[in-house]
Amino acid sequence: GNSVTQMEGPVTLSEEAFLTINCTYTATGYPSLFWYVQYPGEGLQLLLKATKADDKGSNKGFEATYRKETTSFHLEKGSVQVSDSAVYFCDLGDNFNKFYFGSGTKLNVKP
Amino acid sequence: DSGVTQTPKHLITATGQRVTLRCSPRSGDLSVYWYQQSLDQGLQFLIQYYNGEERAKGNILERFSAQQFPDLHSELNLSSLELGDSALYFCASSVAPQGAGTEAFFGQGTRLTVV
Repeated sequence: GNSVTQMEGPVTLSEEAFLTINCTYTATGYPSLFWYVQYPGEGLQLLLKATKADDKGSNKGFEATYRKETTSFHLEKGSVQVSDSAVYFCDLGDNFNKFYFGSGTKLNVKP
Repeated sequence: DSGVTQTPKHLITATGQRVTLRCSPRSGDLSVYWYQQSLDQGLQFLIQYYNGEERAKGNILERFSAQQFPDLHSELNLSSLELGDSALYFCASSVAPQGAGTEAFFGQGTRLTVV
């Protein structure tokens, strides 16, 4: 079956540090991959997505590349800001419009 | 604003009671999903509806039920409430049913506190 595994948090970084949040998946077929972000007190919102192998999703300085050979979709940002403090969810969407979320990784960025 | 509306935003009720959470999906979205988010932040998939029909079921308790109405809004009913049911309940919607690459749009959630 389909599933997503992402690194446990919390991840604590200083401002301007490099961020990587690991996400690996198990899937049948050709899923799409997403990263969602949840800021304190809010619902989830889409951060970026990739719909096929080797696609790179990017938004607000965040990037993730859909790697079929390693079944991964790691989230990266070159220089984090305090405002990036949030919970990040990796997600897989199958061809039947079902979504499989990871457990979430909390990011704390200190000034 | 995601376009998904959930009401109420907050709900406090006693153990043993029954509550109804309401969700209006984005205009044009036929699929509705319900998730429970506990304090340890994980998202638990409860149930999915598409155009009025149940499409997929997750770890939804028998005390919980849901439906999607002809106008596409959805309701999640929680009965015989226990302290452990205290959580954030999210509704999401998406264009459905086919097509990879379709993201889900989330509401702001209903925070349920059972006392």
